[in-house]
Amino acid sequence: GNSVTQMEGPVTLSEEAFLTINCTYTATGYPSLFWYVQYPGEGLQLLLKATKADDKGSNKGFEATYRKETTSFHLEKGSVQVSDSAVYFCALTQNTGGFKTIFGAGTRLFVKA
Amino acid sequence: DADVTQTPRNRITKTGKRIMLECSQTKGHDRMYWYRQDPGLGLRLIYYSFDVKDINKGEISDGYSVSRQAQAKFSLSLESAIPNQTALYFCATSGLAGGKAYNEQFFGPGTRLTVL
Repeated sequence: GNSVTQMEGPVTLSEEAFLTINCTYTATGYPSLFWYVQYPGEGLQLLLKATKADDKGSNKGFEATYRKETTSFHLEKGSVQVSDSAVYFCALTQNTGGFKTIFGAGTRLFVKA
Repeated sequence: DADVTQTPRNRITKTGKRIMLECSQTKGHDRMYWYRQDPGLGLRLIYYSFDVKDINKGEISDGYSVSRQAQAKFSLSLESAIPNQTALYFCATSGLAGGKAYNEQFFGPGTRLTVL
């Protein structure tokens, strides 16, 4: 079945450091890939998405590229801020049949001033 | 701004009680979902509905039931709550609205449920 694996946290960085959160997936066909972010006390919100191979999603300085050959969708940001402290979820949605979404376990990021 | 709302936001109850969590949306989406979030396990799908007459079990539906009262309303019930149902519960929407398809999900703020 479909699955999403992302790196375990917590990840602790200093402000302005480079961020990478790894995400790999297993799926049949051509799913859409997503990164969601959850700030303390809130629900998840979409950070970025990519719908086909080699697409790059980007938002708020974050980027991720849909790599079908390595089944990966790693999240990167060149310079993190304290306000980026949150939990990040990688997810896939199969674009056929039930359109269900599978989430990774989440990676907590702490950014220190 | 179109939104997904959940009530209550927090609830403490006792083992064996019946609990209902409610979700409403003004996004006009046709699909609605209920998830539970537990530390280290991400989100797990409880039930989902693609329209008022369509209800489907997710991966962890045992002990839960749902009702889609209208396109905008989707409630989750715990018929007889037990302590291992203590979790954070999220409602989400996606699908078609205003002639546009959204395959990303839009989440409510969550309900923190504690079963003693």
